[in-house]
Amino acid sequence: EAGVAQSPRYKIIEKRQSVAFWCNPISGHATLYWYQQILGQGPKLLIQFQNNGVVDDSQLPKDRFSAERLKGVDSTLKIQPAKLEDSAVYLCASSPGQYSYNEQFFGPGTRLTVL
Amino acid sequence: AQTVTQSQPEMSVQEAETVTLSCTYDTSESDYYLFWYKQPPSRQMILVIRQEAYKQQNATENRFSVNFQKAAKSFSLKISDSQLGDAAMYFCAWKDSNYQLIWGAGTKLIIKP
Repeated sequence: EAGVAQSPRYKIIEKRQSVAFWCNPISGHATLYWYQQILGQGPKLLIQFQNNGVVDDSQLPKDRFSAERLKGVDSTLKIQPAKLEDSAVYLCASSPGQYSYNEQFFGPGTRLTVL
Repeated sequence: AQTVTQSQPEMSVQEAETVTLSCTYDTSESDYYLFWYKQPPSRQMILVIRQEAYKQQNATENRFSVNFQKAAKSFSLKISDSQLGDAAMYFCAWKDSNYQLIWGAGTKLIIKP
């Protein structure tokens, strides 16, 4: 079974530029998560999708971050414009459902450096 | 506020020995799930072990076991017969009634050969 795929693995941009990350979850997984992980910290949930609907985006900085999950499969996360404090690893995860017992499966992450 | 605390930023253990990573959490809920995830330097987060709060029996997965103390809100991870491949960041997390994972800050585990 293929795991969660993410691209790119690394991205370096200058502040005020735009960047987009892509995630392909495990086939059949209804729930998709985007996390931001700053060095030395645990992941912070940015947005959670159930199929193609948003379940929770309360911690997503909506003035600069946007995410979509068209057709309930792949997802993209965009930052426009980027700030220095956006430097982090962006993790995508998926699970069969959103319930408490469901394990989340993580992708390898995208390391973003904003100069 | 619902929080997860991992009080050990870094731990080291000799290969083949046993190490325990601590985790405490704060919640008023009675039914929830607790998780330990491992994140090696390659960054891919992997589930190590899962505990259901309503189960009194501690979960075990091969060399990994937990000591779950619900009243004390403590959820420690014991790794027996430590191996070089166990070196990683270990994150404790619990899933609240909104089905969101609340994460600790992590413990870096170093294995000494």
